[in-house]
Amino acid sequence: GAVVSQHPSRVICKSGTSVKIECRSLDFQATTMFWYRQFPKQSLMLMATSNEGSKATYEQGVEKDKFLINHASLTLSTLTVTSAHPEDSSFYICSAVGVTNEKLFFGSGTQLSVL
Amino acid sequence: EDQVTQSPEALRLQEGESSSLNCSYTVSGLRGLFWYRQDPGKGPEFLFTLYSAGEEKEKERLKATLTKKESFLHITAPKPEDSATYLCAVLPGGGGTSYGKLTFGQGTILTVHP
Repeated sequence: GAVVSQHPSRVICKSGTSVKIECRSLDFQATTMFWYRQFPKQSLMLMATSNEGSKATYEQGVEKDKFLINHASLTLSTLTVTSAHPEDSSFYICSAVGVTNEKLFFGSGTQLSVL
Repeated sequence: EDQVTQSPEALRLQEGESSSLNCSYTVSGLRGLFWYRQDPGKGPEFLFTLYSAGEEKEKERLKATLTKKESFLHITAPKPEDSATYLCAVLPGGGGTSYGKLTFGQGTILTVHP
């Protein structure tokens, strides 16, 4: 079946550095990808919608300059956390919509820890 | 505003003890209701999509049902490997809504003891 690959699965960085997370659809083209954030024992909160070839749409309260999203191809979207701070530590998850819209596939998630 | 509420927050079962998880929702036109399973430190794993009231879907020990206000995930004779967090999410209808922009419930943490 369709698979969404997310990399890295875990990253630890120093405060002030930037971190890039990749989300790839492996065997289907994804015109739309979504980025979510999840705190421990809480549900997924949508951060932004990423459309191939256009600017991402951010949810209210999400800083677009801190969370840079690039969707350069039909199989790859990236989320860059710029100048990361400890409060950015969280589990980040991407999802992708395939041609057959019945299923939405999620990546395996990235655990970001900012020291 | 779309809302999804799952209950209970946590459920402990003995192996073989059947039960149900609830997902209540309010949404401006339901395009689809999704159930996912999430293991610790992993992304959600797709289980079911339901589209209209009265619809049912089954997969192994799981059965999902849908009414106009809620969905149930029935677990029959659960096993310890069914232990996970089960997430419910809705996709609202309406023009201009990106397909895939889900609103999630907070999840039910299921623990099945041997």
